[in-house]
Amino acid sequence: GQNIDQPTEMTATEGAIVQINCTYQTSGFNGLFWYQQHAGEAPTFLSYNVLDGLEEKGRFSSFLSRSKGYSYLLLKELQMKDSASYLCAVEGEGGKLIFGQGTELSVKP
Amino acid sequence: DAGVIQSPRHEVTEMGQEVTLRCKPISGHDYLFWYRQTMMRGLELLIYFNNNVPIDDSGMPEDRFSAKMPNASFSTLKIQPSEPRDSAVYFCASTPGTSGGAYSETQYFGPGTRLLVL
Repeated sequence: GQNIDQPTEMTATEGAIVQINCTYQTSGFNGLFWYQQHAGEAPTFLSYNVLDGLEEKGRFSSFLSRSKGYSYLLLKELQMKDSASYLCAVEGEGGKLIFGQGTELSVKP
Repeated sequence: DAGVIQSPRHEVTEMGQEVTLRCKPISGHDYLFWYRQTMMRGLELLIYFNNNVPIDDSGMPEDRFSAKMPNASFSTLKIQPSEPRDSAVYFCASTPGTSGGAYSETQYFGPGTRLLVL
């Protein structure tokens, strides 16, 4: 079957670092995406990994291990505006994009 | 660029009525996607088009749902008849597909249509 797991919610402090994990079991693998979604808004693209390793983009980094079916999103120097839902999504067999339920991140002062 | 445009932004209707959601993708994008998001099921892909042709509609929940893309700048998602369980946020997204695959590296989402079926 197809399954993507990520924690339902996390809390972190402004200025800190937080790591959001995602594990997946899918039929086929063509890449893994992370999206950010603020309440009442549309998802916006954060990162894309298709090869093992770490991709860094400013304060955000994303890591992928295909052999372990595992990814994480790392957010550094947290800001209040980073409070949002973070969605992990895998492009599986046939090009179908499957989303996890999302991790609700709350950043506290 | 105006981004992906969706209309209406909000829709309230009664059970049994026909609902039509509209989407204008970003100009030049070859792929268009329709998603549904609910608290229970999260974000689900319903159907996607490549160059106006439906490629995968396996996510369409049942025959009450249909989608069309008559040209490169317009798509509709229709629900007939609508039911209360169809209440959700419906997103349209588009991507250039320049990386050789359907999803490229970036999907651009529209603002969504919030549908409430009473």
